[in-house]
Amino acid sequence: DIVMTQTPLSSPVTLGQPASISCRSSQSLEHSDGNVYLSWLQQRPGQPPRLLIYKISKRFSGVPDRFSGSGAGTDFTLEISRVEAEDVGVYYCMQGTQFPRTFGQGTKVEIK
Amino acid sequence: QVQLQESGPGLVKPSQTLSLTCTVSGDSISSVIYYWSWIRQPAGKGLEWIGRIYTTGNTIYHPSLKSRVTISLDTSKNQFSLKVNSVTAADTAVYYCARGESSASGGAFDYWGQGILVTVSS
Repeated sequence: DIVMTQTPLSSPVTLGQPASISCRSSQSLEHSDGNVYLSWLQQRPGQPPRLLIYKISKRFSGVPDRFSGSGAGTDFTLEISRVEAEDVGVYYCMQGTQFPRTFGQGTKVEIK
Repeated sequence: QVQLQESGPGLVKPSQTLSLTCTVSGDSISSVIYYWSWIRQPAGKGLEWIGRIYTTGNTIYHPSLKSRVTISLDTSKNQFSLKVNSVTAADTAVYYCARGESSASGGAFDYWGQGILVTVSS
C-alpha cells in the first residue's frame, strides 16, 4: 500500500495568516496514464469530507481561491493564503493512483 | 445537484452482517463516467477506503477487507450497497458513500454522503 504521511499533524494559525500542509507519499503517484492523482479534502467538525483540490493543483467547483495545491512525484503541499474561521477542520491528502486508495492521517487546522 | 445519502441499521451485533445502502440523486449510478465507493472513519481517526463499484458491476476492494465485503448496485432504485460480514468492534465507524475516481473528477471523490454511524456491540 502507498503510505501517505502528512506534516504537521496540528497547525494553530492566526486569522488572516497563511497555513501550509505537507503530504509525502511512499511511492511516486504518477499513474501509467501520465496523471498524478493526488487530492486534498477538508473535513469541518461534524461534517463529511469535502473535495478541495484534485490532480495536485486543480480547485474543485466552488472552492475559494485562497486554497492552492502544488507538488510533484512524492511531495505535495496544500496552502491556505489567508486562513478564515470557516477553514477550521482536518485536512487529508489522498492518492488515487494505486489500489487500495489511501489517505494521510490528517492535519488539524485551528485558530490560535 | 448530486446528493448521496447512506441508510441502514446503526447497531449491529458482533459476528453479524453490516448492511448499508447509498441512495444517489442528481446523477445516475448507471453513468459510465463515475465509480461509486464506500469509505469509513472510526471515531476520532482517519479515513479508510473500503472499495468501489462501476456501472458494469465490476468491483475492487481493500485487500484487508476483501474476504468480508460485498458492494453491489441496484440500478432500478439508483442505489448501491455495502455488506460487511462477521463484524467485530473494529468495524465500528462512520461509513460514507462517495462518487468519483474518474478522469472527470481527477481520480478524487467529489461528492460524499453525510455519513452513518454504525456501532458493533452486543
